[in-house]
Amino acid sequence: RKEVEQDPGPFNVPEGATVAFNCTYSNSASQSFFWYRQDCRKEPKLLMSVYSSGNEDGRFTAQLNRASQYISLLIRDSKLSDSATYLCVVNGDNYGQNFVFGPGTRLSVLP
Amino acid sequence: GAVVSQHPSRVICKSGTSVKIECRSLDFQATTMFWYRQFPKQSLMLMATSNEGSKATYEQGVEKDKFLINHASLTLSTLTVTSAHPEDSSFYICSASDTRRDTEAFFGQGTRLTVV
Repeated sequence: RKEVEQDPGPFNVPEGATVAFNCTYSNSASQSFFWYRQDCRKEPKLLMSVYSSGNEDGRFTAQLNRASQYISLLIRDSKLSDSATYLCVVNGDNYGQNFVFGPGTRLSVLP
Repeated sequence: GAVVSQHPSRVICKSGTSVKIECRSLDFQATTMFWYRQFPKQSLMLMATSNEGSKATYEQGVEKDKFLINHASLTLSTLTVTSAHPEDSSFYICSASDTRRDTEAFFGQGTRLTVV
């Protein structure tokens, strides 16, 4: 079983739609969780960290379920500019030395 | 956020030559730097982790003699692809983290290597 798993997609959604991505991780000792956004062949950029209590940033909501070992990202009111690959990243320890990337989920927002 | 500068952004080299890629943290001290490789339509794959002043830890399947990593200072790490071959053509990205402060990693802009 891979350490971090995501549905690769692609998710093709119309503008304005709400879309949700899930990510599962296998290491129950994982400490930190992130969603990164990667545009075509560019460096990943941090979208948001994921906290146990859940967190929201504008149209984006991230949640963490430690018991089930999954992380979710919800995007509301999708924009064309949201089209990208979304990478789930899990940091396996408290020392920032074990980042594990999921394979990414590709999102295409269609006009 | 913090800035990580990676250079060069693109490089084309002949088969058999070596290429050096630099990764610099501009406004923080990077105690740990990570080197990733990304093949088309695939996710980032960690190649190695380096801690300042010590030898890099390579992931399984990554040849340490082919991919030389030096992390001699808290602001600079280099990846040298030695005797490059066409199958080494890929997108290489570094990321840096100050593990004494927080757990977020900051990424360089990436280097697209083409070996002809």
